[in-house]
Amino acid sequence: QKEVEQNSGPLSVPEGAIASLNCTYSDRGSQSFFWYRQYSGKSPELIMSIYSNGDKEDGRFTAQLNKASQYVSLLIRDSQPSDSATYLCAVTGGTASKLTFGTGTRLQVML
Amino acid sequence: GAVVSQHPSRVICKSGTSVKIECRSLDFQATTMFWYRQFPKQSLMLMATSNEGSKATYEQGVEKDKFLINHASLTLSTLTVTSAHPEDSSFYICSARPGGTEAFFGQGTRLTVV
Repeated sequence: QKEVEQNSGPLSVPEGAIASLNCTYSDRGSQSFFWYRQYSGKSPELIMSIYSNGDKEDGRFTAQLNKASQYVSLLIRDSQPSDSATYLCAVTGGTASKLTFGTGTRLQVML
Repeated sequence: GAVVSQHPSRVICKSGTSVKIECRSLDFQATTMFWYRQFPKQSLMLMATSNEGSKATYEQGVEKDKFLINHASLTLSTLTVTSAHPEDSSFYICSARPGGTEAFFGQGTRLTVV
């Protein structure tokens, strides 16, 4: 079983719709959770971090964490073509722990 | 967020030669930096953890003699790919975690070995 799992996609949504990206992790001791966006040929950039159960909103982005279910998600409201990218979920157990990445979900926002 | 600068962004080299990639933390000091490799349509693969003033820690399966890492100061880590082969062609990315949690990435280096 992979440590951090994501559906590779592509996930296609029309412009203006909500895109829902999901991630599950295997280590129950995980404490910190991150979403990165990676455009083709570029390095990842941090979008959201979440540390406690519940929702965290930042602009059009909402991260949701459910530690009991070992599940973290990212919602993108009012999706734009510029949101088309690969979204990486990353998990760590703490400051001294390795940051483990999922394989990423490719999102395509259609005009 | 913190700024990590990586250079060069692209490099083409001949088989058998060595290539050095630099990673700098611009607005913070980094005792630890991380080097990743990413093949097309695959996720990031951690190669090694670079430690200032001491030896790097390599992940299983990564040849330490081939991928030389030096972390001589609190703001600079270098990765040297020695005796490069075409199969070493990849996207190499460095990162740092200044607060110990979020990782911030350099721009990446696209290495092509011909």
